[in-house]
Amino acid sequence: EAEVAQSPRYKITEKSQAVAFWCDPISGHATLYWYRQILGQGPELLVQFQDESVVDDSQLPKDRFSAERLKGVDSTLKIQPAELGDSAMYLCASRAGGPINEQFFGPGTRLTVL
Amino acid sequence: GENVEQHPSTLSVQEGDSAVIKCTYSDSASNYFPWYKQELGKGPQLIIDIRSNVGEKKDQRIAVTLNKTAKHFSLHITETQPEDSAVYFCAASTPPNSGYALNFGKGTSLLVTP
Repeated sequence: EAEVAQSPRYKITEKSQAVAFWCDPISGHATLYWYRQILGQGPELLVQFQDESVVDDSQLPKDRFSAERLKGVDSTLKIQPAELGDSAMYLCASRAGGPINEQFFGPGTRLTVL
Repeated sequence: GENVEQHPSTLSVQEGDSAVIKCTYSDSASNYFPWYKQELGKGPQLIIDIRSNVGEKKDQRIAVTLNKTAKHFSLHITETQPEDSAVYFCAASTPPNSGYALNFGKGTSLLVTP
């Protein structure tokens, strides 16, 4: 069964350091989403890609966060510098595209900022 | 933007009993409503979904109902089992021109006791 892959699964860093997360969506899925999930809450959208183009990054804190999907396949989310409040689960999801709604999530990257 | 509210935040049932989780949404343009199950340390898993042109959908022990007029939808789990214990999230999808991103409720922690 095709799955969304994410790495690393866990990341511990000190504040002011740079961190990067990687996502490989289900093969053929044109749309890719990055969500952030704070403990005890639902996921919240950070950025959305259609192929290699950003569709929506209105909720991405652009002073410290960046995201790219250069070849329209895998994607990287970067935080520089990390702050204590960035501690959360970072989830990647993909969707086939067009009118197909179903989004499938990866296992997430648990970030702890000390 | 879309606001999704979910109740209850915690739910404890005896094995074999039914569990019901309710959600409301604010944007009448939302047209797709998935439910996710999230186990500790894992990404959300899509368990059932419903589109706005359908009032009810069932998959074995799980069913979802949608009332578009009242803007609410519910998850029903019958004959609950201990392995149903997890956090459940409802979500509403933004219209196509917003890229089908999901707005999530805050989650319901379901505990099924033997």
